[in-house]
Amino acid sequence: GNSVTQMEGPVTLSEEAFLTINCTYTATGYPSLFWYVQYPGEGLQLLLKATKADDKGSNKGFEATYRKETTSFHLEKGSVQVSDSAVYFCALSPFGTNAGKSTFGDGTTLTVKP
Amino acid sequence: ETGVTQSPTHLIKTRGQQVTLRCSSQSGHNTVSWYQQALGQGPQFIFQYYREEENGRGNFPPRFSGLQFPNYSSELNVNALELDDSALYLCASTQVPSVTDTQYFGPGTRLTVL
Repeated sequence: GNSVTQMEGPVTLSEEAFLTINCTYTATGYPSLFWYVQYPGEGLQLLLKATKADDKGSNKGFEATYRKETTSFHLEKGSVQVSDSAVYFCALSPFGTNAGKSTFGDGTTLTVKP
Repeated sequence: ETGVTQSPTHLIKTRGQQVTLRCSSQSGHNTVSWYQQALGQGPQFIFQYYREEENGRGNFPPRFSGLQFPNYSSELNVNALELDDSALYLCASTQVPSVTDTQYFGPGTRLTVL
C-alpha cells in the first residue's frame, strides 16, 4: 500500500533560519504530492502541490520538488518567520478516479522563535 | 465560491452512543472524503463518497458509515462509539474527474468520547 514518512519533530528554529522538512513516500503508480499546514485548532490548509516528476510546487516562500528517483518531496523555506509556526503534513493522493484518497505522514511540528 | 464547512464544531459523547457529523462540499465539487485525525497524528482516510455511493474505504470497521446527498453534502455516522474514536474528523471535497486532483479540507469536528 501507499505510505508517507516525514522527518520526526519537533523542529525549533530561529527567525530567518533555513527550513528543511524531509518527506519520502512509497506508492504504486504516479501519485500527486502535497504539503499541508495545520494551525492550532484548525483544519488543513493546502500549502503546495506537485503532480509529476521534477515538478516544483511553491507558495508563500515554501518550495518542494517531486523527486521520483529518490521518492522524496522535501519542504524548504529560505527564511522562516514566527508566523510559520505550525504542524506540516506531507501527503500523497492517487490520480484519476482514486483522487482524494490521500495518505498522510504523521506531521512535523515547527516552532520559530523570534 | 464557498469553502468546505462542517458541523458541529465540537461534540462530546459517551461510549456506546451514536454520532452523526455533517459536511458541505465546496461549490462545484462532487466528491467528499472523510478522515480521522487522532491527537498528534496525521489524518487517516476513512472513506470517500462519489455520486452518492461509497467509493473506497480505508481500514475502518463497518460501524463507520456515511451518506452523500444529491447536493453533494455528506454525513459520517459512527455507531457504538469507543474511547479510541475521540479525534478530529475532517472532510475534504474535490471534483472527479478533473484536471486537478486537489482536495480542500473543512475545519473539522472535534469528537470526544467519554
